[in-house]
Amino acid sequence: KAGVTQTPRYLIKTRGQQVTLSCSPISGHRSVSWYQQTPGQGLQFLFEYFSETQRNKGNFPGRFSGRQFSNSRSEMNVSTLELGDSALYLCASSLQVQETQYFGPGTRLLVL
Amino acid sequence: KQEVTQIPAALSVPEGENLVLNCSFTDSAIYNLQWFRQDPGKGLTSLLLIQSSQREQTSGRLNASLDKSSGRSTLYIAASQPGDSATYLCAVHSGGYNKLIFGAGTRLAVHP
Repeated sequence: KAGVTQTPRYLIKTRGQQVTLSCSPISGHRSVSWYQQTPGQGLQFLFEYFSETQRNKGNFPGRFSGRQFSNSRSEMNVSTLELGDSALYLCASSLQVQETQYFGPGTRLLVL
Repeated sequence: KQEVTQIPAALSVPEGENLVLNCSFTDSAIYNLQWFRQDPGKGLTSLLLIQSSQREQTSGRLNASLDKSSGRSTLYIAASQPGDSATYLCAVHSGGYNKLIFGAGTRLAVHP
């Protein structure tokens, strides 16, 4: 079974631009979560989607948004990029709540 | 508010040693605890998941224990190898659907 895939793997943007990241979960998994990883803050939860509904959101500004499609693929969008948004963005999927979460390789975003 | 702490932050050991990584959490009301491994610049690899009703889980040379009442978990690695060098992260699932709260990690270096 293929693992969680994320595209693109690397991105370079400038301040003020917007960016869209994509995540394809493991086949059959309906829960998709997003995390931001930075050297200073570590891994922080962004949001989680299940069957196209956002069930939980972390403490991030409204510039961070996401959605999930009927095939469980998910996208996250960051508008008006700031230098502090430079990070590794990780996506995870699981079959059910409280089960093992499987992470993708991440998208490394650099904001200049 | 759930907080997760990992000690030590870094560890360097010679090959063949048995070692213990520690994880503590402030709120004992958890659903499960998951241990991950992260290689530099990569995503997270799930190692072990312990449900709140379990005391320990084993996979090969890895053994994870959970003491919910004291808010502690340990990851025991037997007969360490250079290939075990990575950052080890623990994460607790304490509500909010699939939201994981991560510790800052223990950076492990196993030298030949």
